[in-house]
Amino acid sequence: DIQMTQSPSTLSASVGDRVTITCRASQSISSSLAWYQQEPGKAPKLLIYKASSLESGVPSRFSGSGSGTEFTLTISSLQPDDFATYYCQHYHSYPYTFGQGTKLEIK
Amino acid sequence: QVQLVQSGAEVKKPGASVKVSCKASGYTFSTYVIQWVRQAPGQRLEWMGWISAANGDTKYSQRFQGRVTITRDTSASTAYMELSSLGSEDTAVYYCARGSPFDPWGQGTLVTVSS
Repeated sequence: DIQMTQSPSTLSASVGDRVTITCRASQSISSSLAWYQQEPGKAPKLLIYKASSLESGVPSRFSGSGSGTEFTLTISSLQPDDFATYYCQHYHSYPYTFGQGTKLEIK
Repeated sequence: QVQLVQSGAEVKKPGASVKVSCKASGYTFSTYVIQWVRQAPGQRLEWMGWISAANGDTKYSQRFQGRVTITRDTSASTAYMELSSLGSEDTAVYYCARGSPFDPWGQGTLVTVSS
């Protein structure tokens, strides 16, 4: 199985900050990577697919980059709604796997 | 709008089975696969498998092979996930989602396994 490892596991930041979350795959997954946002008690929501494509309706302050084994999710200017948990997920081969999550907290 | 609505919370005894439904609306059901993912308390999301709504083909994670069965009823635009031989480690929120990548997701169904 391909292991997905996110860093950091927790991130404290303030409204207006620029933040970056990293996701590493244990082997190459090309660009078959998605990022999801999950608020407490809610289902995940797709933000980014194919590593860098922004899902329709998602604010442009979210961006993704990377290919192969290293990927990043960047939020250019944090807004109050952005404090949530973020997961990366590969869909390169079976089984699809997720990272352990990065909890974005208010500093 | 595209929406997936899941059945309600379940409480099951160890060794029992559970069947969760996922009703799709707002799009042509047969044009996408339906995925199933679970999230145990404090754990990462875990992919379980998918079903092609068009022809019923399935793909399961080896971790659940033999215990999970995913089916669909095209006339009802509904997919189902049945998990058997439940243990306490199966206590989790179970989600359905459309396509790959997964978008959108159902609201989740809490399955509690307890004696």
